[in-house]
Amino acid sequence: DSGVTQTPKHLITATGQRVTLRCSPRSGDLSVYWYQQSLDQGLQFLIQYYNGEERAKGNILERFSAQQFPDLHSELNLSSLELGDSALYFCASSGTGQGTEAFFGQGTRLTVV
Amino acid sequence: QKEVEQDPGPLSVPEGAIVSLNCTYSNSAFQYFMWYRQYSRKGPELLMYTYSSGNKEDGRFTAQVDKSSKYISLFIRDSQPSDSATYLCAMSAVGAGGTSYGKLTFGQGTILTVHP
Repeated sequence: DSGVTQTPKHLITATGQRVTLRCSPRSGDLSVYWYQQSLDQGLQFLIQYYNGEERAKGNILERFSAQQFPDLHSELNLSSLELGDSALYFCASSGTGQGTEAFFGQGTRLTVV
Repeated sequence: QKEVEQDPGPLSVPEGAIVSLNCTYSNSAFQYFMWYRQYSRKGPELLMYTYSSGNKEDGRFTAQVDKSSKYISLFIRDSQPSDSATYLCAMSAVGAGGTSYGKLTFGQGTILTVHP
């Protein structure tokens, strides 16, 4: 158990809908990262937050947004969902803003139908 | 061309074999190198990380980094069926002052099966 908690574990939704994925980092970790894993693209970095502020952004679609709250948990919001958004979404956390020792949660499997 | 290339395998070896997993990369700014293990339907688990060139050993695992060739390796000695998983290499770049950027760039992963 990495100490990073993601909910829900599975999510099935229809195209055009909006969903929110939640992540609780390891105790004491200030940095949260979101990654998307699909069969054809592998693990792709989406966005990083450090102590409530956005630190780095990857190839995150405009339909996606995230935030980190004062208690350090984070949410990833996906809207206007398309079939191609079906993937595993992972949250990771680290004690510093550096991703060198990032610990991953178990992921949320999103299926868009 | 992807920044990090990793042979997806699959790789199948008998129990007790030495396994060699490799990645190549093109971004000279990468200074931190990591290996993750991912079991089916689970999150990636950090195995090892190294900074810059050199070797690092942890039990049956040895990580090597050759920055001149932009090539990293993970060796698994005395492989066990429980080592069967997907192995992902990951890298991060370094900015001013030597601090790492948080973003990890992953290889595609190599599927390893160790059969009894």
